Formats: sequence, structure tokens, C-alpha cells
Amino acid sequence: SQQGEEDPQALSIQEGENATMNCSYKTSINNLQWYRQNSGRGLVHLILIRSNEREKHSGRLRVTLDTSKKSSSLLITASRAADTASYFCATDTGSRLTFGEGTQLTVNP
Amino acid sequence: DVKVTQSSRYLVKRTGEKVFLECVQDMDHENMFWYRQDPGLGLRLIYFSYDVKMKEKGDIPEGYSVSREKKERFSLILESASTNQTSMYLCASSGAGGPAKNIQYFGAGTRLSVL
Repeated sequence: SQQGEEDPQALSIQEGENATMNCSYKTSINNLQWYRQNSGRGLVHLILIRSNEREKHSGRLRVTLDTSKKSSSLLITASRAADTASYFCATDTGSRLTFGEGTQLTVNP
Repeated sequence: DVKVTQSSRYLVKRTGEKVFLECVQDMDHENMFWYRQDPGLGLRLIYFSYDVKMKEKGDIPEGYSVSREKKERFSLILESASTNQTSMYLCASSGAGGPAKNIQYFGAGTRLSVL
């Protein structure tokens, strides 16, 4: 079963704007990860946030985690056309990852 | 860098054929995974393996089997391909030490069409 659910399903913005994607999940987790997938390719790991962390940064990426609400958000600042891709959250419950259905981000030049 | 290699990018097979999808990783990872990805359904786990000759069913194992005879290689087998197995198949591996041990590294994917 898919534990993570991303919102929105699709997002279209202009270059330079910020993009925010949300992920909700149902059970307790060890950590939550975000992945990116360019069209027709495999997924690439972006960032991992542990269950005892609330916020994490990596370059233009900012991830937050609220375990009380069982939700996470991924913020991409100052977006670029090259950020166009699908973004997936994945919850780690210890034995495996469970992926959401993804958010398709389109950044228009 | 971790490299996960899937043997084919595109594959076309006929209904009833036996299909082998091969995956090789070069980082001595213990864990390997097979997913299928379909529009609107995200990634669904088919099978995974934590060690050589070991396998565990994922969420949708029906119609599939796997083989892990060597640590670096994990094969997905469609015993008798059907049209509803037309999909993108993704292989992944994980197993680095510490908190990163469950970060998965993916191959480029195999787009399988069953006619």
C-alpha cells in the first residue's frame, strides 16, 4: 500500500519562483526521504530527514517534517527550468521504503 | 558513485513469453529491490532481497519471481508475460552504513511492453 501521498499532483511555476510540495503519511517512521525523477529515468535521492528532526536544508532544498501531523514538505527556492521533474516522498519504517505517487513539477523559463 | 545498471532500457515481448530483467550494482550493497511504476499508481514494490539467495515479497508479487545468486545481481522474472505487465520497471539497491543505509540508488529503468 502507498503510505505517502503527495500534494499537489502537478505544479507549474515560473523560473525564479519557489515550489512547495507536501507529503502526508499514515504510520510511524524512522525517516522520510525525497527523491527526484526526470522523465523516463530512475529516481535520484535528494534529502533524508530523520524522525527527530524538524527541518533540514541542502542547497536550494528545504525539507520540514511534522511527525505529530504525519506530514512533510519540500521547498525548492529560486527554481530553474532544470528542476522540472517528478518529486516523490518515501517513508522509511525500518524494513523498506514506501513511495508516494509523486508531484510533477514544471518550471517554465 | 553508486552505479545500478539495468540490462535493457526498452524491451518488447509477446504474451506468454518468459522475460528476464537483470540488475547489477557495484557498491556491495546488501539490499536490492524491484519496483514497477505506472501512471497514477506511483512506485509499487514487487520483490526485495536482503542477502544472497534471500527474497521477500513486496506489495504486488503475483506473476513475478526473482533470483539473487550473487550479491551484485538481482533478476526479475516474468514467468509468462501478460499485457497487464506492460510497465516501467525500476531496480534499486541500498546498504551503505549508518543512517544512510536505507537510501536507495536506482537504475535508469526498463520500459517493458508486452504485446
